[in-house]
Order: sequence, then structure tokens, then C-alpha cells
Amino acid sequence: AQTVTQSQPEMSVQEAETVTLSCTYDTSENNYYLFWYKQPPSRQMILVIRQEAYKQQNATENRFSVNFQKAAKSFSLKISDSQLGDTAMYFCAFMKHAYSGAGSYQLTFGKGTKLSVIP
Amino acid sequence: AAGVIQSPRHLIKEKRETATLKCYPIPRHDTVYWYQQGPGQDPQFLISFYEKMQSDKGSIPDRFSAQQFSDYHSELNMSSLELGDSALYFCASSLGTSGAGAQYFGPGTRLLVL
Repeated sequence: AQTVTQSQPEMSVQEAETVTLSCTYDTSENNYYLFWYKQPPSRQMILVIRQEAYKQQNATENRFSVNFQKAAKSFSLKISDSQLGDTAMYFCAFMKHAYSGAGSYQLTFGKGTKLSVIP
Repeated sequence: AAGVIQSPRHLIKEKRETATLKCYPIPRHDTVYWYQQGPGQDPQFLISFYEKMQSDKGSIPDRFSAQQFSDYHSELNMSSLELGDSALYFCASSLGTSGAGAQYFGPGTRLLVL
């Protein structure tokens, strides 16, 4: 079974500053995916960024980037130029790789980090 | 772009009643997932379907059942409702083994059991 740990229950950052959210995971799988999802007060779950474990290059999506350390089983999210709309709960999630014809597997989530962006 | 559609968005039921939640995946997506999120909790996986067959199963109570239909929409049936079933129920969809596994979530159905 996989476990995902987010050690920071709450964080805050000044608008326009940079913040890093931590995530570690435990798995015996070699092929898998990692994700960050954002859940604003509306409680919609929004995919922020994804990383495929076999890719060494860190994923980037506009102001969001990750630092993926496979050996350390670490997957942190960096938000640059923080905006008020970034205020949300952020969940780190793990998914096993599915082979052809098997569909896809479940997401295992961490407990989340509540991020507040301060004007 | 089209998103996952869930209905109803809000539902209030009494204990021991039944409820049916519906999910319409993103067009061309063939895999549907159901998650339950209690207050202050992370989402917990219930069940998933790929090409209308159950593909993965999580902590879904025996009182719950689900299926995926020929048009790929899915329904989660919940019977003998308990107070503890009050939660936000998400449906998500993905493109099977393509799309790098990304699951896209619907807006959720808020179920309140009184």
C-alpha cells in the first residue's frame, strides 16, 4: 500500500512571494504518477500539476513547479509570484502506473496543506 | 472545455433512505472514479470503472453499489443511509491508460443525512 505525507498542515505567504509545500510518499512501485491538486473554498478539486516517475525532468506549469526526488521519495510544490487566488487546500496525491487494458488506479491523497496568501 | 458533470449538486436525505448520485464523464473519457470526502478530510477512493467494468475498489461500504453504463456515465447507489455518510462525493474521469493518469474531478455532490 502507498502512503502520502504532507507535514505542513497550514502555511501562509505574502502576495507575490514564493512558497514551497512539502510532500513525501512511500511505495514499493517503480512506475507511478504524482500529482498536486488544489481545493479552494468552493471545494472543487483542481489538478495543478503532474509528474511521471520515469521522467527525471521536473514538471512545470506556469507559476507552479515541482522538485521531484525519486530516491528520497519527495515531491514538493513551488508556487512563484503567489496570488490571492492561490489560497486553497493543496493535496499531494500518488497513483500507480496502469498497464494497457487495465484502466487506471485510484489516487491516494495526503492530508493536505492549507495555504493562505496574505495581501 | 467540457468538464465532469455531477447531479444532483446537493442532496438531503433521512437515515435509512436511499440516494443515487450520477456522474457524466468528460467526453471520450472511459474511466470513472468515485471518491468520498468528509469534513476536514482528504478524499477517500470508493470505486472505479474502466470500459464499464469495475477496475479498482477501495473502502466502499457494502450498502453502496455503482455501475458504469454504455454511454460511460456512472451512478453511485447508496442504501440504508447513515449519519456518517454525510460528505462530499466526487466523481472523476480519465482517459484510461492514456493521459498520464490525470483524473479530472467534477464539482461534487454534497450529501447531508439527517
